[in-house]
Amino acid sequence: DVKVTQSSRYLVKRTGEKVFLECVQDMDHENMFWYRQDPGLGLRLIYFSYDVKMKEKGDIPEGYSVSREKKERFSLILESASTNQTSMYLCASTISDRANTEAFFGQGTRLTVV
Amino acid sequence: AQKITQTQPGMFVQEKEAVTLDCTYDTSDPSYGLFWYKQPSSGEMIFLIYQGSYDQQNATEGRYSLNFQKARKSANLVISASQLGDSAMYFCAMSRVTGFQKLVFGTGTRLLVSP
Repeated sequence: DVKVTQSSRYLVKRTGEKVFLECVQDMDHENMFWYRQDPGLGLRLIYFSYDVKMKEKGDIPEGYSVSREKKERFSLILESASTNQTSMYLCASTISDRANTEAFFGQGTRLTVV
Repeated sequence: AQKITQTQPGMFVQEKEAVTLDCTYDTSDPSYGLFWYKQPSSGEMIFLIYQGSYDQQNATEGRYSLNFQKARKSANLVISASQLGDSAMYFCAMSRVTGFQKLVFGTGTRLLVSP
C-alpha cells in the first residue's frame, strides 16, 4: 500500500515558535509538494521539490521554507509561526516524467498558532 | 503560469441525477494534464480522473467523465447517477507533463447530494 505520511495530525504552537512539519513517502517519488488548505481558497501551493536538495517556490512561499535532504522526506518549516499560518497543511508526492501521474496525499496536519 | 478556476462554490443535486462541476484553466504549456480529486468530510484526497491535453477522447472512469474542451480551456467533471456518498469537496487540478511538474489546484466546489 502506497503511503505518504505526515508526522502529526494536529499541532498547536505559539506565535514566534519555529515549527517543523514532516512528510515521508515510501514510493520513491521524485516530486513532493506542500499545500495549505483554507476554506474558500482551495489548495494553495507553498513549495515543491523535484529532486533531493532541489526546491521551487509555489504561489505562497512567504513565511515558509523547506528542506529535502533525502528523497523520501520533505519538511516544511515555519521560521516564526504567526496566527495567519493557522491552517490545514497537506503534503503530496508524484512520480516524475509520466503524463498521468496521480498525486498521493498525506492525511494532513491541522496547525493552530496561538 | 498555470491557473485553475472553479466558479461554483457549492452545488446541489438530487440522488440519481447527473451533475456537472465546472473547471477552466490557463496555461502556456503545450502539454499538460488535468485532474479531478474528491475530498470527503474525512479529509483524504481521492483521485478521480485524468485527462491529457493531447488525448483525443474525453476521459471516463465509471460514473465520472471529463468534458474536455481544449479551445475553451475547460475541463468539467460530469458525475452521472449521483449517490449520497458523492457529497464532498471536488477539486480540479493541472500539471505540466514534463519539466517541473508543478501541480496546482482550484478553489473547489462543495457538492451536496440530497435524497
